[in-house]
Amino acid sequence: AQKVTQAQTEISVVEKEDVTLDCVYETRDTTYYLFWYKQPPSGELVFLIRRNSFDEQNEISGRYSWNFQKSTSSFNFTITASQVVDSAVYFCALSEASLTGGGNKLTFGTGTQLKVEL
Amino acid sequence: DAGVTQSPTHLIKTRGQQVTLRCSPKSGHDTVSWYQQALGQGPQFIFQYYEEEERQRGNFPDRFSGHQFPNYSSELNVNALLLGDSALYLCASSLGGNPSDTQYFGPGTRLTVL
Repeated sequence: AQKVTQAQTEISVVEKEDVTLDCVYETRDTTYYLFWYKQPPSGELVFLIRRNSFDEQNEISGRYSWNFQKSTSSFNFTITASQVVDSAVYFCALSEASLTGGGNKLTFGTGTQLKVEL
Repeated sequence: DAGVTQSPTHLIKTRGQQVTLRCSPKSGHDTVSWYQQALGQGPQFIFQYYEEEERQRGNFPDRFSGHQFPNYSSELNVNALLLGDSALYLCASSLGGNPSDTQYFGPGTRLTVL
């Protein structure tokens, strides 16, 4: 069965520090998709990035970067030069391609609370 | 471009009552999923609707039911409410509902059961 583990419950950093959020996943599928979402205090989940299992190219988008490694089943997320507005709960999620009947059910981790202080 | 909308924002019910939550998907999307998020936890998948039928279902009892309308909007119904049903209920929409499709979430409905 699929599973997503975010071992870091809470991380506190000072503004301008770099911070990496860890995500480890389990799946028997060879084709799957990984996502990161951000949940600010307002509650709405905001989509950040999607990666598929056959594309291990890492990506940088502004202050955000992602490191996908199939060999270790990890999909880590780094914020460079963190800002107070980055404070939120970050969720890693998995969608598998072999689901019976189709569909794109997401399996989420328990989230990492990031607090960026001045 | 309107995003996913949900109503109501907050709801307070007592044990044993029934509740209906509503969701309108992002413009152009035809697939709606519902998630339950307990305090301090990640969202848990309840079910997904596509072409007005339930396509996938998570590990939730039959007290949780839903519906999708021809305009793709959706309702989540919970019967015989329990204290443990208190949570943030999130609706998400996507186009087609393939595993590669990104789901976009609404702001959620905060349900409190007393």
